Amino acid sequence: DAGVIQSPRHEVTEMGQEVTLRCKPISGHNSLFWYRQTMMRGLELLIYFNNNVPIDDSGMPEDRFSAKMPNASFSTLKIQPSEPRDSAVYFCASSPGTSGTWELFFGEGSRLTVL
Amino acid sequence: GENVEQHPSTLSVQEGDSAVIKCTYSDSASNYFPWYKQELGKGPQLIIDIRSNVGEKKDQRIAVTLNKTAKHFSLHITETQPEDSAVYFCAARETSYDKVIFGPGTSLSVIP
Repeated sequence: DAGVIQSPRHEVTEMGQEVTLRCKPISGHNSLFWYRQTMMRGLELLIYFNNNVPIDDSGMPEDRFSAKMPNASFSTLKIQPSEPRDSAVYFCASSPGTSGTWELFFGEGSRLTVL
Repeated sequence: GENVEQHPSTLSVQEGDSAVIKCTYSDSASNYFPWYKQELGKGPQLIIDIRSNVGEKKDQRIAVTLNKTAKHFSLHITETQPEDSAVYFCAARETSYDKVIFGPGTSLSVIP
């Protein structure tokens, strides 16, 4: 099993540029989560999907952030325009999503630096 | 919504000693409490979990206890080894929206 795959692993961009982070969840998993990790705020849940449908996006910081899940095997997190305070490690995680199986399987993260 | 607090933020122990990390949660309806270990440059990985109908669970050198009345849960690592050095996160699952909320993390260093 390949696990959760995220790309890119590292991204350096300039303020104002658009950033797109990508995630391929584990096949068969029904739930997908995007987390942001910073020293100051720890692991913050941004948004999560169940069966490709966004269930809760209350953690998305502002309108500059958007996330999509067009099918069961792909999700994107987009920041437009990016700002230096968006610098963080962004994790995607998937979960079986069935009752009683709530373990999150994390990808290795995308480290974003906005200059 | 759920809020999870975690102490201490850093912990340093001698190899072979025990390490204890404590967490509290705010939502009495939360029913699932996992612990994740994050090694440098990697994503968090589940090491043990406990559900609300259980008071204690053990897996080799790792144990977790849950006090639902006090809304406390703790991670105990015995006979620590250098490879236990990592950041540990406790978490709680909100039942209403199936969300897992993480504590701020504990950086554990095991000194050989």
